[in-house]
Amino acid sequence: GEDVEQSLFLSVREGDSSVINCTYTDSSSTYLYWYKQEPGAGLQLLTYIFSNMDMKQDQRLTVLLNKKDKHLSLRIADTQTGDSAIYFCAEKAAGGGNKLTFGTGTQLKVEL
Amino acid sequence: NAGVTQTPKFRILKIGQSMTLQCTQDMNHNYMYWYRQDPGMGLKLIYYSVGAGITDKGEVPNGYNVSRSTTEDFPLRLELAAPSQTSVYFCASSYNRDRVANQPQHFGDGTRLSIL
Repeated sequence: GEDVEQSLFLSVREGDSSVINCTYTDSSSTYLYWYKQEPGAGLQLLTYIFSNMDMKQDQRLTVLLNKKDKHLSLRIADTQTGDSAIYFCAEKAAGGGNKLTFGTGTQLKVEL
Repeated sequence: NAGVTQTPKFRILKIGQSMTLQCTQDMNHNYMYWYRQDPGMGLKLIYYSVGAGITDKGEVPNGYNVSRSTTEDFPLRLELAAPSQTSVYFCASSYNRDRVANQPQHFGDGTRLSIL
């Protein structure tokens, strides 16, 4: 079955860039997503990338996709304390149901 | 806009009790989903529905039941609560159309359930 992996923790200083990494196994992935979860809240869609793209930029967010290595990353420029949250990557495989496979989540801590 | 609304936000159950977690969405989304989130485990799909009257099992359906009598509502039922079902439950929805590949899921704020 599909598997999506992330490191569990990342700590950065305010103003630095954060890079959150994700690897997946399903070569039929069509879309890959990044979600943000703040404490006590649900998941909020941050950005996504189609599998035939290798980069997407959206304000402070840059998504890089290496389809050959099945590696996805999310770079947050000028990281702020408000960026502290858990970040989930998710992949959507080809086929019906629009089902997503989520990674374990990376907890980002931004220190002053 | 309310989006996806889940009730209750918190609940404590005794082993063997039953309860229904409510989920409703006002976005006219045809697809709805139930996930559970356990620490360090990401989200696991319990059940999903592609439209009213249609439901299907996800990755971890045992111990749960669902129904989808209307487009808006997708309740999740626990018949005999067990400690292993202590978790945070998320409902999500998406609007899926033919030939539209990107259909992001929108999430509720979750129900935190403890079974003692």
